[in-house]
Amino acid sequence: ILNVEQSPQSLHVQEGDSTNFTCSFPSSNFYALHWYRWETAKSPEALFVMTLNGDEKKKGRISATLNTKEGYSYLYIKGSQPEDSATYLCAFKHTNTGNQFYFGTGTSLTVIP
Amino acid sequence: GAGVSQSPRYKVAKRGQDVALRCDPISGHVSLFWYQQALGQGPEFLTYFQNEAQLDKSGLPSDRFFAERPEGSVSTLKIQRTQQEDSAVYLCASSLAAGPHHEQYFGPGTRLTVT
Repeated sequence: ILNVEQSPQSLHVQEGDSTNFTCSFPSSNFYALHWYRWETAKSPEALFVMTLNGDEKKKGRISATLNTKEGYSYLYIKGSQPEDSATYLCAFKHTNTGNQFYFGTGTSLTVIP
Repeated sequence: GAGVSQSPRYKVAKRGQDVALRCDPISGHVSLFWYQQALGQGPEFLTYFQNEAQLDKSGLPSDRFFAERPEGSVSTLKIQRTQQEDSAVYLCASSLAAGPHHEQYFGPGTRLTVT
């Protein structure tokens, strides 16, 4: 089993604050990294699919960067809103593990109005 | 348009019972994944289908777990002789095409509790 770690485990921020969290994964044989947002009582929703070292992707106030050489991805949220409250999951795909995606345990974000 | 649906949403089974969990992927999606999420953990890969072919079942934890997708659309995950350690949320996801560069669309999950 490949180790995918997310930090911090949970985060509370005030509305309007910007925040970021980390997904760490093995730096060898990288294939792809996915970010998902999972709101309580809903289905996980895809945010980004990242495949190339140096990738930067943006969707509204949320953006992500990828460093495959050192094995990490950052997710940034600018001007957090209460509707951003969710668990953010990353999923790593290795070249040598068939079709398996390895998920982190997630970062739980709570935005306080 | 309809997303991925799963049924039942909640299932309570007595230890030793067999259960069947259903996944209806988005129409036309080639790839289908099953994951198991234990409390406090991230989802863990169970198995992968490309159309009706089960290409990877390396994540199935024991031979009590069986999955099928006979016509390349609906999939069923069957667990025989359930044990308490099988209690988890079972997530199904589909994607339009094969390959890890395509985002996965998840269903809401089935929460299985084995008593």
